[in-house]
Amino acid sequence: GAVVSQHPSWVICKSGTSVKIECRSLDFQATTMFWYRQFPKQSLMLMATSNEGSKATYEQGVEKDKFLINHASLTLSTLTVTSAHPEDSSFYICSALDRASVGELFFGEGSRLTVL
Amino acid sequence: DAKTTQPPSMDCAEGRAANLPCNHSTISGNEYVYWYRQIHSQGPQYIIHGLKNNETNEMASLIITEDRKSSTLILPHATLRDTAVYYCIVRAILTGGGNKLTFGTGTQLKVEL
Repeated sequence: GAVVSQHPSWVICKSGTSVKIECRSLDFQATTMFWYRQFPKQSLMLMATSNEGSKATYEQGVEKDKFLINHASLTLSTLTVTSAHPEDSSFYICSALDRASVGELFFGEGSRLTVL
Repeated sequence: DAKTTQPPSMDCAEGRAANLPCNHSTISGNEYVYWYRQIHSQGPQYIIHGLKNNETNEMASLIITEDRKSSTLILPHATLRDTAVYYCIVRAILTGGGNKLTFGTGTQLKVEL
């Protein structure tokens, strides 16, 4: 089956630094990717929708200057958490829509960010 | 997307069938019912989806009522590895975008010996 890979799977950084998380679709082309964040014991919250070659669409309450999303190719989207603070510590998960198979949405393994 | 309602938690004995209900009374005609599950600290895993007919695959069966206002996910022989949070989601499949999934709180299924 289709695989979505995230990297890194976990990262620890100092407050004030920026962290980039990659999301790759390994065996299919994804015109659309979605970024979620999840706090402990809570459900996934959609942050933004990333379309290849265009600007991401952010959900209400998500700072676009804080969470930079780039979707430069059909197999790669990146999320950069800029000037990270401890409250940004969370589990970040991406998902990718297989454009060849309408409706198929696959998830990455998630990236755990800890900001000290 | 239509809202779904699920019980917050359920227990099931290993080897027994786990029946997870979901209410989606405001579902519209072009919305599918999807089920995903999330094992602790992992990304969600696709289980099954359907529109109005019952569906079965190697993981589970999906039973959708005739009025489509509710559905049940059935794990026929639950194992300890099926312990996870199960999410029922309804969404339209649209060409050209708009296919985002909105997650509710899900059902925490605990399979015990």
